[in-house]
Amino acid sequence: QQQVKQSPQSLIVQKGGIPIINCAYENTAFDYFPWYQQFPGKGPALLIAIRPDVSEKKEGRFTISFNKSAKQFSLHIMDSQPGDSATYFCAASKAGGTSYGKLTFGQGTILTVHP
Amino acid sequence: NAGVTQTPKFQVLKTGQSMTLQCAQDMNHEYMSWYRQDPGMGLRLIHYSVGAGITDQGEVPNGYNVSRSTTEDFPLRLLSAAPSQTSVYFCASSYDRAGDQPQHFGDGTRLSIL
Repeated sequence: QQQVKQSPQSLIVQKGGIPIINCAYENTAFDYFPWYQQFPGKGPALLIAIRPDVSEKKEGRFTISFNKSAKQFSLHIMDSQPGDSATYFCAASKAGGTSYGKLTFGQGTILTVHP
Repeated sequence: NAGVTQTPKFQVLKTGQSMTLQCAQDMNHEYMSWYRQDPGMGLRLIHYSVGAGITDQGEVPNGYNVSRSTTEDFPLRLLSAAPSQTSVYFCASSYDRAGDQPQHFGDGTRLSIL
């Protein structure tokens, strides 16, 4: 059972474009939504995260938009660069101390930014 | 400070063989976990540990064993390898068990079962 659904599977943009990756979740108990970035041959690394008490969070060129009523959140990459080419995973968890750090991941999106 | 170190980086096994994937962290993190990554399925939690001597099952635990005798090490054992266990395995750690702690991942072990 995939509790976090991510789309698209792959995405190709030109340098300077604004790729958007979408995720939808089912479990209303989730209250922490991170995005992880993974380069080939490496493990995922935390990129940015949001709690449902805000609708948007920006860190540099990366923005998360969050829609609690629709149970959806998305990642926007402003002024995308070839160095942003990577696989992006959305995830969800319960932030509370008894959740044991269990992350439920989306399927991943392979982003390619052409020069 | 090496972070999370996984060994080996690559391994090929025959069906029925057993092996141990090693994971070590030097950040004194309380929480450690194992995920497998398969195309189109994201990362799925296999087993996790909230401290030395304490382990529990994740989403896909069948065919795998873990133990946590020290804070630093969290090995994953394949008891009798099957082709369905061909995957990339990632070990992760975080400061504590809270769900909003950043997970620090190793660079993975790429495992092929023939």
